[in-house]
Amino acid sequence: EAGVTQSPRYAVLQEGQAVSFWCDPISGHDTLYWYQQPRDQGPQLLVYFRDEAVIDNSQLPSDRFSAVRPKGTNSTLKIQSAKQGDTATYLCASSPFGGAPQNTLYFGAGTRLSVL
Amino acid sequence: QQKVQQSPESLIVPEGGMASLNCTFSDRNSQYFWWYRQHSGEGPKALMSIFSNGDKKEGRFTAHLNKASLYVSLHIKDSQPSDSALYFCAVSMGNYQLIWGSGTKLIIKP
Repeated sequence: EAGVTQSPRYAVLQEGQAVSFWCDPISGHDTLYWYQQPRDQGPQLLVYFRDEAVIDNSQLPSDRFSAVRPKGTNSTLKIQSAKQGDTATYLCASSPFGGAPQNTLYFGAGTRLSVL
Repeated sequence: QQKVQQSPESLIVPEGGMASLNCTFSDRNSQYFWWYRQHSGEGPKALMSIFSNGDKKEGRFTAHLNKASLYVSLHIKDSQPSDSALYFCAVSMGNYQLIWGSGTKLIIKP
C-alpha cells in the first residue's frame, strides 16, 4: 500500500514569494490534515479536511495561507507571501473513518521550507 | 487550553539499555494518548496508543497511563540504534484534534 506522498521535499524562498505544497493521501482515507512543524517542536495543526470539506481551519493564517482538497483526494497548501516565521516543515497526514481519535494518523515525509 | 509537556528533552541510552520517556497533560477530560516516533528526514510514525489506565505492551515497547495523575510514559526495553529518533506524545480530548508535546530526542549509543 502506498503511503502519503508529499512534494516538493524542500523549498527555499525569499520573503514575499509564494509557494505551494502538494499532498496525495493514502487511497480511501477520507480525512486529511496539514500540520506545521517548527524545528525542534511538535506538529501544530493548520487545517483538517473530511472529504472535500474544511472541518477546521482556525489555526490557518488566513491572510496568507490557503488550503484546498477539491475532489476529496489530493490537497494543496499555498502560502501567498512567505515570511521568515513560516520556516518549518509542512506535514500532510491522512486517516480513515472520519478522523476518529482512535485512528492512527499516517504522515508523509514533509516539505522543509526555508524563508530567507 | 490543553498543555502537553515531555521530559527529558534529550536522552542518551546505551545499546541494550532501557529508555524511559515521560509526558504530562493538563486536562482531565483527555481520552486518547499516542506515542509517535520521527526519524530524521521523515514524518512521524505511530508507535502505539493507550486509551485505558494501566500498562500496554507491544514487543519491546510498554506504555503506561495514569489519567488521575495526568501522566503517560513510554519505556523501550533492549534499545537498538534504530530506536534513535524524536519521540512525541500526542493527546486527544475525544475529537480529531491531537495536541502534541515538543518531543524527546533519544540517542542510542552503540
